[in-house]
Amino acid sequence: DSGVTQTPKHLITATGQRVTLRCSPRSGDLSVYWYQQSLDQGLQFLIQYYNGEERAKGNILERFSAQQFPDLHSELNLSSLELGDSALYFCASSISGSYVYEQYFGPGTRLTVT
Amino acid sequence: QKEVEQDPGPLSVPEGAIVSLNCTYSNSAFQYFMWYRQYSRKGPELLMYTYSSGNKEDGRFTAQVDKSSKYISLFIRDSQPSDSATYLCAMSFGSRLTFGEGTQLTVNP
Repeated sequence: DSGVTQTPKHLITATGQRVTLRCSPRSGDLSVYWYQQSLDQGLQFLIQYYNGEERAKGNILERFSAQQFPDLHSELNLSSLELGDSALYFCASSISGSYVYEQYFGPGTRLTVT
Repeated sequence: QKEVEQDPGPLSVPEGAIVSLNCTYSNSAFQYFMWYRQYSRKGPELLMYTYSSGNKEDGRFTAQVDKSSKYISLFIRDSQPSDSATYLCAMSFGSRLTFGEGTQLTVNP
């Protein structure tokens, strides 16, 4: 158990809908990262937050947004969902926002868009 | 060209074999080098991380970094069926982490 929690574990929804994925980092970690993993691609970095502020952006679509709250939990919002958004979404956390070498992953949320 | 290249395998070995997993990279700015293990689409699990060139050992696992060749390796000694998983290398520059595609390993009893 990495100490990172994610809810829900599974999500099935229809095209055009909006969903919210939730992540709680390990105790003491200030950085939260979101990744997407689909069958035909590896882990794709989406976005990083550090202590409530956006720190880095990766290949995140405009339909996706995220935030980190004062209690350090984070939410990833996916809107206008398309079939191609079906994937595993992982949250990871680390202590530092400047250097990453120990990043711990949650169990993931499996999103299926029908 | 991808920044991090990793042979996706699959790699199949008998129990007890020594396994060698490798990644090459092109960005000389990478500072930290990590290996993750991922079981059947579960969350990746951090195995080891290294900073400088050289070897780092943890039990049956040895991570090796050669910055001059831009090449990293993970060796697994006395491999077990429970080691069957996908192994991902990852490298970081600042807060940016870049993953390889992963190598699928099967250890046969």
